[in-house]
Amino acid sequence: DAGVTQSPTHLIKTRGQQVTLRCSPKSGHDTVSWYQQALGQGPQFIFQYYEEEERQRGNFPDRFSGHQFPNYSSELNVNALLLGDSALYLCASSLYRGIGLTGELFFGEGSRLTVL
Amino acid sequence: QQQVKQSPQSLIVQKGGISIINCAYENTAFDYFPWYQQFPGKGPALLIAIRPDVSEKKEGRFTISFNKSAKQFSLHIMDSQPGDSATYFCAALEYGNKLVFGAGTILRVKS
Repeated sequence: DAGVTQSPTHLIKTRGQQVTLRCSPKSGHDTVSWYQQALGQGPQFIFQYYEEEERQRGNFPDRFSGHQFPNYSSELNVNALLLGDSALYLCASSLYRGIGLTGELFFGEGSRLTVL
Repeated sequence: QQQVKQSPQSLIVQKGGISIINCAYENTAFDYFPWYQQFPGKGPALLIAIRPDVSEKKEGRFTISFNKSAKQFSLHIMDSQPGDSATYFCAALEYGNKLVFGAGTILRVKS
């Protein structure tokens, strides 16, 4: 049973460019959340997708957008990249409103984004 | 504003010793408190979790102590081993599926 898979694992972009990160959730999960983890910090919630809609959003600008597909996989898009966007981007999957109740939040290994 | 405050930032423990990491929160709406373990180059993995109606939960060498009135909780790792060397994050569940994480504690267990 595959866990949460993310691609690419590493990528380098320059300021002003756009990036798309991809995530496939754990089998049986219907909800995908994205987190940003800066070096030496805890993960910060970006947003969550369920039934192809954004359900919750953290304190991130509109440059961060996402999408969920009918097969539950998800993409994170970041436009107009800034140096401060350099971070590990983590995808996590779960059952909708199921954390701690019917299941847990499972993380992928992340996509390491470097903005030069 | 940091909703979950974690301490210490780093910790060195001798093999066989007890590692203790503390967290404090303000939001009384939090209703689920997990701890995650993260190794370099890996995503966080759930270690153990507790609900606020329980004061203590133990799983193997890992124990969570929870003090609802003080809005504090802690992770104890008994008989710490070099393989426990990792970064540990406490977290709290906000409405829905959003986890709020502490800043992390880097644990090093010396053999």
